[in-house]
Order: sequence, then structure tokens, then C-alpha cells
Amino acid sequence: EAGVTQFPSHSVIEKGQTVTLRCDPISGHDNLYWYRRVMGKEIKFLLHFVKESKQDESGMPNNRFLAERTGGTYSTLKVQPAELEDSGVYFCASSRSPNEQFFGPGTRLTVL
Amino acid sequence: GQQLNQSPQSMFIQEGEDVSMNCTSSSIFNTWLWYKQDPGEGPVLLIALYKAGELTSNGRLTAQFGITRKDSFLNISASIPSDVGIYFCAGGGNKLTFGTGTQLKVEL
Repeated sequence: EAGVTQFPSHSVIEKGQTVTLRCDPISGHDNLYWYRRVMGKEIKFLLHFVKESKQDESGMPNNRFLAERTGGTYSTLKVQPAELEDSGVYFCASSRSPNEQFFGPGTRLTVL
Repeated sequence: GQQLNQSPQSMFIQEGEDVSMNCTSSSIFNTWLWYKQDPGEGPVLLIALYKAGELTSNGRLTAQFGITRKDSFLNISASIPSDVGIYFCAGGGNKLTFGTGTQLKVEL
């Protein structure tokens, strides 16, 4: 069974630009999550999809962040416009049940 | 907000030694999870705990869910070089709250 995949693995952009991160969950997992780890801080929850619906987006920092999961398969997380403080590692996770989330390798975003 | 504090922040041990790390919370969690993260990878689930007082093993790993539901410990017996990494505790269900991490380094 293939694991959670994320693309790109690294992204370096300038402040003000737009970046789109992609996550492909494990096949058959209805639950999809986005998390972020900012340098030196703990991993923090951003949002949770059940199929194509946003179940909980309480962790989204602000309206510069937009997550979508059209068709309930892969998900994208767009940051527009990017700011310096958006730098960090963005993780995607998926699960069948809420309690055992499987994480992808992450996308390291650097905003210059 | 909810906060999980892990200790120690980092450990430098000899191969073969046993390791113990713990995690405490200001809030009650119904589920505790322990993850390990290797460099360049995402967190990998090691052990999941669902009941207060539960003691669970996974190979050389043993974890316990505190009776108050506000703490947990993880033990690694007879450490080996591949145990190197960052260990995170996490609480919750759909919305995981992560601890600050314990960095483990193993000296041969």
C-alpha cells in the first residue's frame, strides 16, 4: 500500500508570491489533514477534511491560506501571497479512523 | 490552548542503554500517540494509547497512558543506532496536539 505523498518536497519562493502544495492520501482514506511545523516549534494542526468537506479548519492561520480537496481524493494547500512567517514544513496526513493518522514526508517551504 | 510538554528536550545515550521520555499535558486527552520522525521524513506512528492506565508494547518500545489522562511515557529498551530521531507525543483524535519533541542521539 502506497503511503501519503506530498509534492513538492521543497519550495523556495519570494515574499508575495503564490505557492501550491499537493497531498495524495493513502487510497481509501476519507480523512485528510494538514499540519505545519515552523522552525523550532511543535507541529500544529491546520485543518481536517472528510472526503471533500472541510470538517475543521480552526488551525488555518489566516485567509491567505486556502485548502481544497475536490472529489475527495488529493488535496491542495495554497498560500497567497506568501509571507516570511509562512516558512516551515507542511505535513499532510490521512486516516481511515481518527486515531491513527499516517503522515507524508512533508513539503519544506522557504519564503525569502 | 492545549499544550503538551515533553522531557527531556534531547538525550545523548550509549548504544544498548534504555531510554525513557515523557509527556505531560494541561488538558485531558482521550487518545495519546507516540510518533518518531527521521530527518527529511514525516512522523511515523509508533504506539497508540486509548485507555487511561493502558500499557502497550511494540517490540522494544513500551508506552503508558497516565491514569489522569494528562500524561504518558515512552520507554525504549536496548537502544540501537537507528533509534536516532525526534520523538513526539500527540494527543487528541482528529485534531492532534503535538508535543515539543525529544531529540534522541545514540552513541556507538
